[in-house]
Formats: sequence, C-alpha cells, structure tokens
Amino acid sequence: GNSVTQMEGPVTLSEEAFLTINCTYTATGYPSLFWYVQYPGEGLQLLLKATKADDKGSNKGFEATYRKETTSFHLEKGSVQVSDSAVYFCALSDPDDMRFGAGTRLTVKP
Amino acid sequence: AAGVIQSPRHLIKEKRETATLKCYPIPRHDTVYWYQQGPGQDPQFLISFYEKMQSDKGSIPDRFSAQQFSDYHSELNMSSLELGDSALYFCASRVLGRLNTEAFFGQGTRLTVV
Repeated sequence: GNSVTQMEGPVTLSEEAFLTINCTYTATGYPSLFWYVQYPGEGLQLLLKATKADDKGSNKGFEATYRKETTSFHLEKGSVQVSDSAVYFCALSDPDDMRFGAGTRLTVKP
Repeated sequence: AAGVIQSPRHLIKEKRETATLKCYPIPRHDTVYWYQQGPGQDPQFLISFYEKMQSDKGSIPDRFSAQQFSDYHSELNMSSLELGDSALYFCASRVLGRLNTEAFFGQGTRLTVV
C-alpha cells in the first residue's frame, strides 16, 4: 500500500537558515505529491505540489522536486523567516488513495 | 468557490456529554477525512470515508463514531466526552478516482470539554 514518511520534528532554525524537511514515499503507482502547511491557529492549506517525476513544485520560496528514483519529495527553502514557523505535512495521492505524513513542526527564531 | 464547511465552529460541552460535528465537503467531492489536533499538538488522523463507506481508520477512540451520508457530508459523533477530547477537529475532502487531486481542508471545529 501507499505510505509517506516524514522527517521527525520539531525543527528549530534561526532566521535566514537553510531548511530541508525530508519526505519519502512508497506507492504502487505514480502518485501526485504535495506539501501542506498549517500556520498557528489556522487549518491546513496546500503549499505546493508536483504531479509527475522530475516536476518541481514551488511557492513562497519553498521548493520540492518529485524524485522517482529515490521516491522522495524533500521540502527546501534557502532562507527561512519567522513567519515560516508552522507544521508541514507531506502527502501523496493517486486515483484511489491519499496519504499524509505525520507532520514536521518548524520553529524559526529571530 | 465553495470550500469545505464545518459546523459548528466552536462547541463547549461538559464531561460525559455527547457532541456531533459536521463536515460538508466541496461539491462533487466523494471522500472525507477527519483529523484531531490537541492543544500544541500535531493533527492526528482519525478516520476517512469514500462513497459512504469507511475507507481508513486511524487513532479514533471507540467512544467516537462517524459516518458519511448520501449527500457526502460526514458527521463525527463523540460520546462520553472527556477533558482530553478538547481539541480542534478538522475535516478534508477530495475526489477519489482522478489523478492529481488534492485535499481541501475546512477551518475546523474547536471543541472544549469542561
């Protein structure tokens, strides 16, 4: 079956540091991959997505590349800000299933 | 565009009471997911439904039950409430059976058990 494994948190970084949150998946087919974000006091919202191998999703300075050979979709940002403090969820979907990772809490300190 | 609607937005109940939370998915979405997020904690998957049938089950207590109705809305029923059930409960909906579909989340119902 499908599954998503995310880097465990919490992750604490200083402002302007480089961020990587690892995400790997197992899937029987060719899923689409997503990153969702939950800011404090808010619901989950889509951050970015990639629908096929080698696609790069990007939004708000975040990027993730769909790597079929390593079954990964790592989230990266070159310079984090305090406002990026949130919980980040990796997810995959195919026509029959959707799976979320457990979430990684990021705290960015000034 | 229509979004996922949850009601009520806030609910206060006493211990041992029951509560019913409702989730109205985006029109034509056939799959609903329920999550529980305790204070300062990450969301935990509870249960999901597809076409009115339970499709997956997570860490849902036996005191809780849920169902999806013919109009695809879902209700989470919680009985014998405990203080520890105080949390934000949110649902998500999507369309199964298609490529590249993402889930959309509601704003959540904040349940406080006193």
